[in-house]
Amino acid sequence: DVKVTQSSRYLVKRTGEKVFLECVQDMDHENMFWYRQDPGLGLRLIYFSYDVKMKEKGDIPEGYSVSREKKERFSLILESASTNQTSMYLCASSLSGGTMYNEQFFGPGTRLTVL
Amino acid sequence: AQSVTQPDIHITVSEGASLELRCNYSYGATPYLFWYVQSPGQGLQLLLKYFSGDTLVQGIKGFEAEFKRSQSSFNLRKPSVHWSDAAEYFCAVGGSGGSYIPTFGRGTSLIVHP
Repeated sequence: DVKVTQSSRYLVKRTGEKVFLECVQDMDHENMFWYRQDPGLGLRLIYFSYDVKMKEKGDIPEGYSVSREKKERFSLILESASTNQTSMYLCASSLSGGTMYNEQFFGPGTRLTVL
Repeated sequence: AQSVTQPDIHITVSEGASLELRCNYSYGATPYLFWYVQSPGQGLQLLLKYFSGDTLVQGIKGFEAEFKRSQSSFNLRKPSVHWSDAAEYFCAVGGSGGSYIPTFGRGTSLIVHP
């Protein structure tokens, strides 16, 4: 079974702090994704990566950056956390090599509260 | 551009009743379609997927979905709902045209009354 783990289930930070959210997958997937989930808005893609050291902006990248130094790990960074970044953050991974592998596997999520 | 519409924000059913959650998609080529479920406080879990072949797809937990190309729909069904099915359900469409990034609907929240 594919396993995607996220470093924290719940996180509380203060405005202006630098925040790191970590995601690790154990199935050698090429693609990794960060989403945020807010009530009524569904999943919105922040960033994705299709290879080590490669990254692409998603729909809402402002205020976020990412890092992928190893294939299994994809980090989301909030350079200066703000209250409007309070949300549920979901990490996902998928195989590459064509659309047969669009299926994504999700981590349990990190609920971030910025005070 | 691909898109997914889930017309129902909330659905309420009684335990034991049948269920149908609607999903309409827009995609220019052959779509790859998914249904995910999210239990409270959890990540998303794949229920079923359609790539090709038989248009009636069976999934986990007794769910099924039917792909209807003429209606651009991929509705999720279950003949008898259990209280544990209360969750958020997401439909997603992936690209046969090379995109490996699925587009998700906004979700339907299922409430189950005893």
